[in-house]
Amino acid sequence: QEQLVESGGGVVQPGRSLRLSCAASGFIFSTYAMHWVRQAPGKGLEWVAVISYDGSNKYYADSVKGRFTIARDNSENTLYLQMNSLRTEDTAFYYCVRWGYCTNIICPGGMDVWGQGTTVAVSS
Amino acid sequence: QSVLTQPPSASGTPGQRVSISCSGSSSNIGRNGISWFQQLPGTAPKLLMYSTHQRPSGVPDRISGSKSGTSASLAISGLQSEDEADYYCAAWDDSLNGWVFGGGTKLTVL
Repeated sequence: QEQLVESGGGVVQPGRSLRLSCAASGFIFSTYAMHWVRQAPGKGLEWVAVISYDGSNKYYADSVKGRFTIARDNSENTLYLQMNSLRTEDTAFYYCVRWGYCTNIICPGGMDVWGQGTTVAVSS
Repeated sequence: QSVLTQPPSASGTPGQRVSISCSGSSSNIGRNGISWFQQLPGTAPKLLMYSTHQRPSGVPDRISGSKSGTSASLAISGLQSEDEADYYCAAWDDSLNGWVFGGGTKLTVL
């Protein structure tokens, strides 16, 4: 069964850092591009970042560019999101998402497997 | 303000057909495939449609997707009570070099 399990969320002060992890199982992690998508309380979905299957290509939302870094360890079947210089507006539920149906980042695929999410709260 | 524009709400009665729109521009919907997601309260989103009109395994054929120019639509026929949820559209944006989501549409089954 394909599964994504996020961890690492918590409460952090503005300006501090946090690293999220996402453990993948039930599929060949190293052959899929992966995304992070977030959802602020009571709000809609916001795409955060994507990384190619081999880690060679990455794209970020303007709202996190320069502060967040997406990375992966294919030997450990794990996706990461390093979040630095956190702001109150980064408070959200963070989802790890698989990009399915095609191999490349920009191709006619879809976000087909979602984790259960982890909460990040940035507050003083 | 979302790059893709959806109506905040939609409604229908059981058995009816409803359509949810998603409006964008030439840099996103106009050039790229659309995805649609369903999110039930307290749960992670579920992929309903990808590449505009491709249904993932398990999604019933009473749900369909289409696109014309810079607008897309998700149609649900034979509306059921379990269809009551939030629906989001998404697409790659060539100008932003990233994915963009619509603000979401809350579907109510009356």
